Parts: sequence; structure tokens; C-alpha cells
Amino acid sequence: LAKTTQPISMDSYEGQEVNITCSHNNIATNDYITWYQQFPSQGPRFIIQGYKTKVTNEVASLFIPADRKSSTLSLPRVSLSDTAVYYCLVDGYNKLIFGAGTRLAVHP
Amino acid sequence: KAGVTQTPRYLIKTRGQQVTLSCSPISGHRSVSWYQQTPGQGLQFLFEYFSETQRNKGNFPGRFSGRQFSNSRSEMNVSTLELGDSALYLCASSLQGRDEQYFGPGTRLTVT
Repeated sequence: LAKTTQPISMDSYEGQEVNITCSHNNIATNDYITWYQQFPSQGPRFIIQGYKTKVTNEVASLFIPADRKSSTLSLPRVSLSDTAVYYCLVDGYNKLIFGAGTRLAVHP
Repeated sequence: KAGVTQTPRYLIKTRGQQVTLSCSPISGHRSVSWYQQTPGQGLQFLFEYFSETQRNKGNFPGRFSGRQFSNSRSEMNVSTLELGDSALYLCASSLQGRDEQYFGPGTRLTVT
């Protein structure tokens, strides 16, 4: 059963690039990695999903090394509105395991 | 298009009672998943329904059950409520289940 580990909190400043790494040592062959963003009093919102190598969309990039035991969410040029909790999710055939979440605080 | 809706938004129950929560997915989405979110345990997967069948299940006791109807709407039931069941219950829908999930605003359940 894949267990995920991510930093509890991170601080950044507006305009900087933020990288949040999630460890998932027991990831299975068919598992996907997905990241979600959650603001207070709202449900999580999809950011990006990947299986291996690199995936990029209009808001983020996801880097997954060849062994797939970790993944890194990269947020370019963060703004104050990116202050939120970020969750790493390992999506397996039988289980969906969320990380504990990383609380990102972006400062002016 | 309309997002995922959950009813009720807030609920207060006493220990021993049972509760039913409802989730209406985005039109066309066949997969509905339920999650429990608490400050101590974070986001935990309860179960997933796809085309009226439970496809996946998390590690929760049998007091937690669910079902999905032919229109993809889903209900979750918790029987014999315990204080520890106080949480935000989130529902998410997706087209196939392993793709992007769209979350509802959640139902905040308080058990006293």
C-alpha cells in the first residue's frame, strides 16, 4: 500500500518558483500521481496528474524520476493567491492515498 | 456546467444516530468518490462508485456505507455515529475514476 510523505509547510515570496516534493516509496506499477490544491472551506481542486517523466500544464509542472518513488510539483512565479494546502495523491487501482498536505504560505 | 453539489452543507447529530449525505455529480460523470477530512487524519478515501457498483473501498468500518443510483447521484450513510465521525465529508466526481476529480464543497458533520 503506497504511503505518501510531503513537507508539512513551506514559505515563499511572490514571484518565486516553488517546488513541493512528495515521497511515495511503495508506489505500484499502475499508480498515477495527482496533485490537488485546497483553500479553506472548499473542496480540493485538481492541479496536475502524471505517470512518469515530466508533465506541464498552464499552472504547474510535475516531475517524476524514473524510479517513481517521488514526485515534485513545481509552481512557477507564485502569487499571494497560491497560498493554500497542496496534496499529493497516489491513485492506485484499489486505493487512493492522499498525503498529509503541504501548507504553502506566499508572502508579499 | 454545474459543479458537484452536496447536501446538506452542515449537519449536527448525536452519538448513536445515523446520517445520510447526498452527492450530485457533474452531468456525464459516472464515478463518484467519498472522502473524510479531519485535522488529525487529513483526507482519507472512503469508497468509489462507478455505474452503481462500488469499485474501490478504503479502510473504514462497516458503519460507513454508500450507494449510487442510475443517474450517478450517490449517497453515503453512517450508522451508529461516534464522536470521532465529526469531519468534513467530501464527494468528488470524474468521468472514469482515475482522471481529474471535481470536488464538491463538502458536508460538515458534527457529532455531539
